[in-house]
Amino acid sequence: AQRVTQPEKLLSVFKGAPVELKCNYSYSGSPELFWYVQYSRQRLQLLLRHISRESIKGFTADLNKGETSFHLKKPFAQEEDSAMYYCALSGPPTSESASKIIFGSGTRLSIRP
Amino acid sequence: NAGVTQTPKFQVLKTGQSMTLQCAQDMNHEYMSWYRQDPGMGLRLIHYSVGAGITDQGEVPNGYNVSRSTTEDFPLRLLSAAPSQTSVYFCASSEGKTGSSYNEQFFGPGTRLTVL
Repeated sequence: AQRVTQPEKLLSVFKGAPVELKCNYSYSGSPELFWYVQYSRQRLQLLLRHISRESIKGFTADLNKGETSFHLKKPFAQEEDSAMYYCALSGPPTSESASKIIFGSGTRLSIRP
Repeated sequence: NAGVTQTPKFQVLKTGQSMTLQCAQDMNHEYMSWYRQDPGMGLRLIHYSVGAGITDQGEVPNGYNVSRSTTEDFPLRLLSAAPSQTSVYFCASSEGKTGSSYNEQFFGPGTRLTVL
């Protein structure tokens, strides 16, 4: 069964400290993995996806197929990073299951000044 | 482009009432989805569609119906509202297989529904 697990409901770190939001997944095959972010009073939006191997707003995420993890990391947290973060997965890009995107329960990141 | 729009923004229903949440997108996206967002449970997929005339069930489809008669619109119907359906509902769309970034979901602003 497809499943995304985010074990932390809330993560609170000081400004300038490193951040790691954990995400583990269960999927039969090769999924596509994403991180979405919802800032206060804004729409949910894509932050990054593993297929692009990009760094957005200083965040990176590495897909570890052995551990079935896709943790989100940032070396130095900023106050504007405070938001709700969701890990998500879908089927491979060329498949019909690419249309079915499953989200985790989310982690609220709070950056203390 | 208005992107993904949802109406209404807020709605209060009594148990047993029916209503339709509207969702429209003007980006010519193939894929559309409905999610509900509940505290501690994140976003859960209700129904999704890969194109006009094609819909499928997500993780929590019971109590909801959808149809996709046009590419632009994807309404969500509650046939007989229950307090357990109190939630924030999000509609999303993505390009589909022909797009260059077809798996990026674009979300609407949400509808906050309360069932008494």
